[in-house]
Amino acid sequence: GAGVSQSPSNKVTEKGKDVELRCDPISGHTALYWYRQRLGQGLEFLIYFQGNSAPDKSGLPSDRFSAERTGESVSTLTIQRTQQEDSAVYLCAIRLGQRHTDTQYFGPGTRLTVL
Amino acid sequence: AQSVSQHNHHVILSEAASLELGCNYSYGGTVNLFWYVQYPGQHLQLLLKYFSGDPLVKGIKGFEAEFIKSKFSFNLRKPSVQWSDTAEYFCAVITPTGGGNKLTFGTGTQLKVEL
Repeated sequence: GAGVSQSPSNKVTEKGKDVELRCDPISGHTALYWYRQRLGQGLEFLIYFQGNSAPDKSGLPSDRFSAERTGESVSTLTIQRTQQEDSAVYLCAIRLGQRHTDTQYFGPGTRLTVL
Repeated sequence: AQSVSQHNHHVILSEAASLELGCNYSYGGTVNLFWYVQYPGQHLQLLLKYFSGDPLVKGIKGFEAEFIKSKFSFNLRKPSVQWSDTAEYFCAVITPTGGGNKLTFGTGTQLKVEL
């Protein structure tokens, strides 16, 4: 994607363990999003950061999920006590323009498998 | 809540055949509409988008989509597909007046073009 990298690309973990997924966006982005895609389903919005505003956490599926952004750069998505239903591809996206309708550019994703 | 339906989950076409992928959304107000494509092994990328004006939108690689407000539809078309169009296609919507920063995606259509 246009200046979004994610790590790791693949993560296999055991049920009950915590995982941390990382998103490194290009500098100058105006907003950062996390989505997830479970097998056979569309992308689901998780959380959104813009500037110094409080993040929109309305998509987080449970309190086991949290995310933070360091300054206006790196973001981490943390899943505590992972469950098998958390298995999915987790995608980070950034927006470069100021308008909410400006294009979102996606990273390559992290494929999380919970055994 | 906004929802997006993509009716065809898997489509198989021969090269040079015409393509139309269906997309319907549920919200009746102002919407912004997108088609994203994910080629095998690549990032999700924008194919085309509609914000306002001419309801027939042209995108990259010969794709176009038509916004029909009365039908809540934004179908994707291409007159003559190529083998390289093999990919997964996602329709997505932003609802500007309803927490408009997040994309709501359909479940995707897997297109396979055979030689």
